[in-house]
Amino acid sequence: DAKTTQPTSMDCAEGRAANLPCNHSTISGNEYVYWYRQIHSQGPQYIIHGLKNNETNEMASLIITEDRKSSTLILPHATLRDTAVYYCIVRNAGGTSYGKLTFGQGTILTVHP
Amino acid sequence: GAVVSQHPSRVICKSGTSVKIECRSLDFQATTMFWYRQFPKKSLMLMATSNEGSKATYEQGVEKDKFLINHASLTLSTLTVTSAHPEDSSFYICSAPGTGNRRAFFGQGTRLTVV
Repeated sequence: DAKTTQPTSMDCAEGRAANLPCNHSTISGNEYVYWYRQIHSQGPQYIIHGLKNNETNEMASLIITEDRKSSTLILPHATLRDTAVYYCIVRNAGGTSYGKLTFGQGTILTVHP
Repeated sequence: GAVVSQHPSRVICKSGTSVKIECRSLDFQATTMFWYRQFPKKSLMLMATSNEGSKATYEQGVEKDKFLINHASLTLSTLTVTSAHPEDSSFYICSAPGTGNRRAFFGQGTRLTVV
């Protein structure tokens, strides 16, 4: 799997957009960008994934640069419940291999009142 | 959406005893499940891949005789920590790949404390 680089921590004010960057300069053509988050003492939660187009769902938006070497996860209106560790993972999505994930250290997002 | 249920959520056991953790896919079938371990303030580390009807595949450095994995059906995988020691105290998490949606679903995790 391609290696990813994320900032160790970020802060965000409640109600504002949280923009979490991720670098994955060695990503290969068949690898997807996945974002998961882990709230303290819980199992990780899927947020969003994409290959090359920008994606949006009810939780977040994913912006992938044209060269696919970096991406940004956007939480449009952060709430206190969004405080968590956010993991950016690059993974081949063939078969069931997307279930086997290599977690880095992630970004600790703290949302302040 | 797909749900993965893990049980128990918390267990305390005495050193030398064995503990079984269950992971169930509630509304979908999973021929493959994954077991992770997470130490305090650390990231998740993949321990093994559980395969329905065949032997589990362990990651390098994980003792297969200590961490017994059984995938008896398409909806259930179990992890048994045998002869547990305090250093086995950790947060154990299972996951299963969803069907047709290219995402993984995780259990709630099991906090194991060996005293």
